[in-house]
Amino acid sequence: ETGVTQTPRHLVMGMTNKKSLKCEQHLGHNAMYWYKQSAKKPLELMFVYSLEERVENNSVPSRFSPECPNSSHLFLHLHTLQPEDSALYLCASSQDTGPEKLFFGSGTQLSVL
Amino acid sequence: AQKVTQAQTEISVVEKEDVTLDCVYETRDTTYYLFWYKQPPSGELVFLIRRNSFDEQNEISGRYSWNFQKSTSSFNFTITASQVVDSAVYFCALSLHGSSNTGKLIFGQGTTLQVKP
Repeated sequence: ETGVTQTPRHLVMGMTNKKSLKCEQHLGHNAMYWYKQSAKKPLELMFVYSLEERVENNSVPSRFSPECPNSSHLFLHLHTLQPEDSALYLCASSQDTGPEKLFFGSGTQLSVL
Repeated sequence: AQKVTQAQTEISVVEKEDVTLDCVYETRDTTYYLFWYKQPPSGELVFLIRRNSFDEQNEISGRYSWNFQKSTSSFNFTITASQVVDSAVYFCALSLHGSSNTGKLIFGQGTTLQVKP
């Protein structure tokens, strides 16, 4: 089993739908992250959790709502998205926060119609 | 402000050629870390290397080597004798040091490397 698992791999949703992205890490790490990868733009950090506490919210619109119920699981709840939110959403984990090596999942390719 | 620039958007080489991917960074901090990640078609980014700002020694790992030059704010990555499996998007990234650092990485735009047989 891979270290960081994301589901679903692909998601198509309408602008009025509510959906959730799931991330699970099997590495015993204390920090988890959500990154957004849009076409022709650098990866953007969205949220950082350390020991289930959110330590960074990088000016992300409220239509994205993260949840970290424990140090192994991270969710991204989506509501009333816009077509420009279509992107690859990558989850990552690291032993702790700081300039650590990140372990990434394969991402969820999201399309908002 | 911090910034990472990878000027090469796409590079195409033939197998067994050497290829260098450029990375230039900007920061006013004296302590920072630089990273390279590889993103194959499967999507997940794979860590390749991390260097701190006080260690300018070049590093070699198999066919991979990294040249860190603080004088030019560059951290270039060379693949020797490239192989088809090296085809991927490569990202250079910068992370700052300090208690307020939450692990935020500032990524470059990425360089897509295509190695043809």
